[in-house]
Amino acid sequence: GAGVSQSPRYKVAKRGQDVALRCDPISGHVSLFWYQQALGQGPEFLTYFQNEAQLDKSGLPSDRFFAERPEGSVSTLKIQRTQQEDSAVYLCASSLTISEQPQHFGDGTRLSIL
Amino acid sequence: GESVGLHLPTLSVQEGDNSIINCAYSNSASDYFIWYKQESGKGPQFIIDIRSNMDKRQGQRVTVLLNKTVKHLSLQIAATQPGDSAVYFCAENKQGANNLFFGTGTRLTVIP
Repeated sequence: GAGVSQSPRYKVAKRGQDVALRCDPISGHVSLFWYQQALGQGPEFLTYFQNEAQLDKSGLPSDRFFAERPEGSVSTLKIQRTQQEDSAVYLCASSLTISEQPQHFGDGTRLSIL
Repeated sequence: GESVGLHLPTLSVQEGDNSIINCAYSNSASDYFIWYKQESGKGPQFIIDIRSNMDKRQGQRVTVLLNKTVKHLSLQIAATQPGDSAVYFCAENKQGANNLFFGTGTRLTVIP
């Protein structure tokens, strides 16, 4: 597609369940970013990939959060043993290279933990 | 610490008027700044960006001004239209940094 695609758009899970969120970046984009956006707040950085290499995961809030991009294109953000505080919109962004701004965002996955 | 903040959380303007959205930043090492527009249920949409070696950049109906002396960034929207109603975020990053730091946003409401 022409833009960043994320699925599912909405995810409801019970506390303690594992979830997986998918991101399809713009074709050919080397850099891929995950952000978390709480209601009424700006996005906050979670992790960054350059191709398949996860170069920065300093924003991941706990070891329950795990991201991968095995073939350098599609990425998956996995949250294990979800907690209510994990409820947020998870945004994926991509850019051609790290120095090629701007980052182009998908429409996000809205995660609700019951 | 690093922060990107906005002076006003909400802004209402009449259709056809010009809008100015302000943003303060504290990281003097930041060298790239960007404005995004976010509509309800959508991801942030790129509007315009500026590097620290510039103090003004113009796009279609939008202008970004950067004042490094007082660490202030503004977005000017000319002839504001109802379709401009959204939340606007400024964001910054340092040269070579991986991620953008976002502020909390300003909600712009255009009154027909």
